[in-house]
Amino acid sequence: EDKVVQSPLSLVVHEGDTVTLNCSYEVTNFRSLLWYKQEKKAPTFLFMLTSSGIEKKSGRLSSILDKKELFSILNITATQTGDSAVYLCAVHNTNAGKSTFGDGTTLTVKP
Amino acid sequence: KAGVTQTPRYLIKTRGQQVTLSCSPISGHRSVSWYQQTPGQGLQFLFEYFSETQRNKGNFPGRFSGRQFSNSRSEMNVSTLELGDSALYLCASSPEPTSGSTYEQYFGPGTRLTVT
Repeated sequence: EDKVVQSPLSLVVHEGDTVTLNCSYEVTNFRSLLWYKQEKKAPTFLFMLTSSGIEKKSGRLSSILDKKELFSILNITATQTGDSAVYLCAVHNTNAGKSTFGDGTTLTVKP
Repeated sequence: KAGVTQTPRYLIKTRGQQVTLSCSPISGHRSVSWYQQTPGQGLQFLFEYFSETQRNKGNFPGRFSGRQFSNSRSEMNVSTLELGDSALYLCASSPEPTSGSTYEQYFGPGTRLTVT
C-alpha cells in the first residue's frame, strides 16, 4: 500500500526564519508528488514534482524531489505569519489513479 | 475560470439517514476525486470518476457511493450514516489525465458533514 510520511508533524518558528518540511514516500508506479497548503479551508495547490533534482520555485517557496531516495522537501524562506498553515504532501500512483496524502506538517509562524 | 464548487457547505444529519453531496469541477476538467478529511485520519481517498465512470476506489465501505454526470458534475452519497462519518468531504478536479502536466488537483471548499 502506498505510504507518505511527513516530518516534522508540527513546527513553530518566528517571522523571518527559514523552514524545511520533509516528505518521504513509498509508492508503486510513481507519477508525481504534490505539495498543498491548507489553512482553514480546502487545500490549495503549491507544486507538482515529477523529475528528480529540478527545483520548483514560487516566491519564497521552493521544492525539490529526489526519486532515488524517495523524498521531497519544501523550503520556505523569510517566513511570514501568513505562512501559518498545514502543509500537505501527496503522491500520485499512475495505476491506482489516486493521490495518497501524508498527515501534514502544521507550521506556526509567530510575529 | 470558476473554481471547484461544492454544495452544500454545511450539513447536519442524524445516524441512519443518508446524504448526497454535490461537486462541480472546473470547466474543462473531466476527472473528479472525492476525499474524506478527519482530524484523526487525515485526507483519505474515496473514489475518482472520469467520463462518468468510476476509475478508482479507496478503502471505504459500500455505504459510500458516487456518480458522475455527462457534464462532469459529480455526486457522492452516504447511506445509513454513522457518527464516524462526520468529516469534511472534499472534491477535487483535474484536467485531462493524459497530459504530461496533469494530476494537479484543485480542491473545492468542502462540505462539512456532522452526524449526530
